[in-house]
Amino acid sequence: EAQVTQNPRYLITVTGKKLTVTCSQNMNHEYMSWYRQDPGLGLRQIYYSMNVEVTDKGDVPEGYKVSRKEKRNFPLILESPSPNQTSLYFCASSERGTPYDEQYFGPGTRLTVT
Amino acid sequence: RKEVEQDPGPFNVPEGATVAFNCTYSNSASQSFFWYRQDCRKEPKLLMSVYSSGNEDGRFTAQLNRASQYISLLIRDSKLSDSATYLCVVIPGNDMRFGAGTRLTVKP
Repeated sequence: EAQVTQNPRYLITVTGKKLTVTCSQNMNHEYMSWYRQDPGLGLRQIYYSMNVEVTDKGDVPEGYKVSRKEKRNFPLILESPSPNQTSLYFCASSERGTPYDEQYFGPGTRLTVT
Repeated sequence: RKEVEQDPGPFNVPEGATVAFNCTYSNSASQSFFWYRQDCRKEPKLLMSVYSSGNEDGRFTAQLNRASQYISLLIRDSKLSDSATYLCVVIPGNDMRFGAGTRLTVKP
């Protein structure tokens, strides 16, 4: 089944404890991206990648890191999480190395930082 | 001013009604536009692309007005299953900009 998977789906952590949210797609898609969704603000793009080893900042990259060593994986790293990073996070992918195609979203990761 | 703005609603309409949403964008260089649908606490899913000449998909019609920098979504003959949040998406370059969404509730 073609899909985007994220792990974990739910995470409660404490300020400053490094964490990684994994994202994997099995569709051989080139474009991958991370979003956070907050009430009243909608989805905001954190980072995106147009292909392996190519990553760029989105709208709200501060406090996050990403890597794209393999085509299928695009992990999101929070080196020192803070409470203002409590949010619902979505990973997405699309076929070509541009955002102009349909975006396929993962199921979301709900992160709480205390 | 937000780069992409939508009326948050909620829009509460009876079954069978016609409802329209607008979305304005500030970057005149934006090239591509989409409407996504998001059910409560679920991932967004593509509803339809928006083409310059306007396009229709069943009960849904999307239109683009570049001069006034807005896109619209018209839903005819609303169904209970249309209840969701509708997200406007604008692509100014290689990144994506989402509106905060418009909440629609269709009631029996």
